[in-house]
Amino acid sequence: SSELTQDPGVTVALGQTVSITCQGDSLRSYYASWYQQKPGQAPVLVLYGRNNRPSGIPDRFSGSSSGNTSSLTITGAQAEDEAAYYCQSRGRSINHLVFGGGTKLTVL
Amino acid sequence: VQLVESGGGLVKPGGSLRLSCAASGFSFSDYYMTWIRQAPGKGLEWVGYISGDGNTLAYGDSVKGRLTVSRDNAKNSLYLQINSLRAEDTALYYCARWGPRGYSGYDPFDYWGQGTLVAVSS
Repeated sequence: SSELTQDPGVTVALGQTVSITCQGDSLRSYYASWYQQKPGQAPVLVLYGRNNRPSGIPDRFSGSSSGNTSSLTITGAQAEDEAAYYCQSRGRSINHLVFGGGTKLTVL
Repeated sequence: VQLVESGGGLVKPGGSLRLSCAASGFSFSDYYMTWIRQAPGKGLEWVGYISGDGNTLAYGDSVKGRLTVSRDNAKNSLYLQINSLRAEDTALYYCARWGPRGYSGYDPFDYWGQGTLVAVSS
């Protein structure tokens, strides 16, 4: 079982706001990074650190953290945001890495 | 930055395979590098990482003992040796760039290759 827990699927109406959560003990000490993966494509980094977006990632993507939970929020979801989203952080030790199980985001 | 994996293919159970990742566009020896795999229809699984100088390595629990990560900084290349292949090793294997500080920093995996497919079947 993954040391980071994500809901398997989330649905959002076009233009609405959605949050995807990631839970795990390591998140009390380390930030999560978030990756977007569309079918047939390699994952793409969309968020990391406290709330940092790589160049080219729209500002509708934002992040937050509280206790053992990190969240990726999409404000005004677009059709092109439909994808699987994975959180990633540390696992059972500082040098052990782990991914969450992934959340499939559906945009209606 | 560009990362290009190669070396995947169809292998019989018990066999071995060496995957390569050719890096370009950055100072390769300055960065930790990592391997991540994805079984068909499944999520991402961290496999292992190596420091820029090659002296620090770590592996995921499910692969420890059978997989070896290495690098050749003179060739700007990362490698993954997989031994005693099992059906559950069937996956798309990605290489990704981590940060200069690796586990002692807070960097993400900022660049990924397109992956190379390993299929284990008799």
